[in-house]
Amino acid sequence: GAVVSQHPSWVICKSGTSVKIECRSLDFQATTMFWYRQFPKQSLMLMATSNEGSKATYEQGVEKDKFLINHASLTLSTLTVTSAHPEDSSFYICSARGGDGYTFGSGTRLTVV
Amino acid sequence: GENVEQHPSTLSVQEGDSAVIKCTYSDSASNYFPWYKQELGKRPQLIIDIRSNVGEKKDQRIAVTLNKTAKHFSLHITETQPEDSAVYFCAARPPGFGNEKLTFGTGTRLTIIP
Repeated sequence: GAVVSQHPSWVICKSGTSVKIECRSLDFQATTMFWYRQFPKQSLMLMATSNEGSKATYEQGVEKDKFLINHASLTLSTLTVTSAHPEDSSFYICSARGGDGYTFGSGTRLTVV
Repeated sequence: GENVEQHPSTLSVQEGDSAVIKCTYSDSASNYFPWYKQELGKRPQLIIDIRSNVGEKKDQRIAVTLNKTAKHFSLHITETQPEDSAVYFCAARPPGFGNEKLTFGTGTRLTIIP
């Protein structure tokens, strides 16, 4: 079946630094990638939608200059959290759409100290 | 935009009994309704989905029903087992094959009591 590889699975960074999260579709072409943020015991909140080769569409309230999304190829999308602060600590998860289905990455737990 | 409500937020069921989780959606154009199971710290896994041209779908112990008129759909798990304990999310999506996004419900934490 379709597989999305997400790395890293967890990361601890210092406040003020940037962190890059990668999602790769291993056996299909991801025409669209969705990036979510999930707080403990809460639902998945969509941050942005990206299509290969075009700018991402951000949800209301999400700072596009803070959460940089790049979708340079049909198999790779990255989310960079710039100038991270403790309130950015969360579980970030990608979801790739290929065809009619959605495949989730394994998630990245970001802790900013 | 689409709004999905999910109930209950928590559900405890004796092992072997059935569990039912309900969702309502607001956009009558939505035509795809998946259900995901998420274990702690892991990715959501699709367990079953239904499209708007079908009223019910079953897969072994899991079934989903859809009432388009009332704009609600439900997940039914029969003969529950301890490994069914997890958080379950419903979602809805409008038609298309582009970048249409899933709108998720708030989740139901299901606990199976041995």
